[in-house]
Amino acid sequence: GAVVSQHPSWVICKSGTSVKIECRSLDFQATTMFWYRQFPKQSLMLMATSNEGSKATYEQGVEKDKFLINHASLTLSTLTVTSAHPEDSSFYICSARYGPGEQYFGPGTRLTVT
Amino acid sequence: GENVEQHPSTLSVQEGDSAVIKCTYSDSASNYFPWYKQELGKGPQLIIDIRSNVGEKKDQRIAVTLNKTAKHFSLHITETQPEDSAVYFCAASQVNDMRFGAGTRLTVKP
Repeated sequence: GAVVSQHPSWVICKSGTSVKIECRSLDFQATTMFWYRQFPKQSLMLMATSNEGSKATYEQGVEKDKFLINHASLTLSTLTVTSAHPEDSSFYICSARYGPGEQYFGPGTRLTVT
Repeated sequence: GENVEQHPSTLSVQEGDSAVIKCTYSDSASNYFPWYKQELGKGPQLIIDIRSNVGEKKDQRIAVTLNKTAKHFSLHITETQPEDSAVYFCAASQVNDMRFGAGTRLTVKP
């Protein structure tokens, strides 16, 4: 199957700082990428959908100025958590898709804000 | 929007037994129904999927059935093994709107 990578796999940052998470599709071109967050023992919650070269579409309740998403190429999307706070601590997972096909998920990034 | 309900939330079976997880969805326009397996600290892995023009699909010990009229679909795992222990998520989607169920924690006892 297709491979999606995320970097870093985990990160600890201080409150008020910004953190960037990268999502890459390694062996296919992703026309669409998705960002999810997952709290412990909970399901995945879609944060935003991004198509290459266009602005991301955010789900209701997700602050687009806080969670900046860039999908500059067909193989790379980034999520920047700006001015992070402890409540932003979570497991962030990206997924990538080519056309209307299956979504392939990355391994996730655990963010801890102290 | 789409709403996906998943049951049970936890499931414990003896090794070799079968496990069944059920999901219902609300949006009749949904046409793609994947199942994901998530191990602790990892991202979800697609294990099987089905599209709305198919009623059943099987891949070795895993099968999925879809009832479009009733808007429910199920995951069947036969001859379970301890390595099947994980959290399983169902999902339903159209194009860009994949919604996940709450997940089922499956434990296979050796």
